[in-house]
Amino acid sequence: EAQVTQNPRYLITVTGKKLTVTCSQNMNHEYMSWYRQDPGLGLRQIYYSMNVEVTDKGDVPEGYKVSRKEKRNFPLILESPSPNQTSLYFCASSLTRGGGYTFGSGTRLTVV
Amino acid sequence: SQQGEEDPQALSIQEGENATMNCSYKTSINNLQWYRQNSGRGLVHLILIRSNEREKHSGRLRVTLDTSKKSSSLLITASRAADTASYFCATDESSYKLIFGSGTRLLVRP
Repeated sequence: EAQVTQNPRYLITVTGKKLTVTCSQNMNHEYMSWYRQDPGLGLRQIYYSMNVEVTDKGDVPEGYKVSRKEKRNFPLILESPSPNQTSLYFCASSLTRGGGYTFGSGTRLTVV
Repeated sequence: SQQGEEDPQALSIQEGENATMNCSYKTSINNLQWYRQNSGRGLVHLILIRSNEREKHSGRLRVTLDTSKKSSSLLITASRAADTASYFCATDESSYKLIFGSGTRLLVRP
């Protein structure tokens, strides 16, 4: 089944403890993105990637890192999480530039 | 930054009725897409309409695009309880990212 898989689905962590949210797609998509969704603020792009080893900042990149060493994987790294990074995170991928995106099921992160 | 603004913010209709949601945006776009999100779940791509298209259909969905007014509408005909969800428009400007609107929460009452 064609899909974007994110792990974990739920995560509670403490301030400052490094964490990684994994994202993997099995559709050979070139374009991948991370979004966060917050009440009243909607979906905002964190980082995106156009291909292996090619990434760029979205609208809210502060406090996040990404890497794209393989085409299928696009992990989101929070080096020192803070409570304002408590949010619902989505990874998404697209085959074509400007095409429709397939979204993962989301990761609900709580930083205490 | 939010590009699209949906209207209304919330809509409650009876099963079998049609639901219309509108989206306005601010800048030139390559295409406009509509997504559905069930509560707390991932977004599902519904339909994409390119800037040179005026209308597109997919099953019970009909999307229109008016680039002169920078607006789009999504019509869901013969709604079902399973259509209850939030609906988002998203605009593609640079082709590397989508900018999402604030969403319309649709409730279809059985």
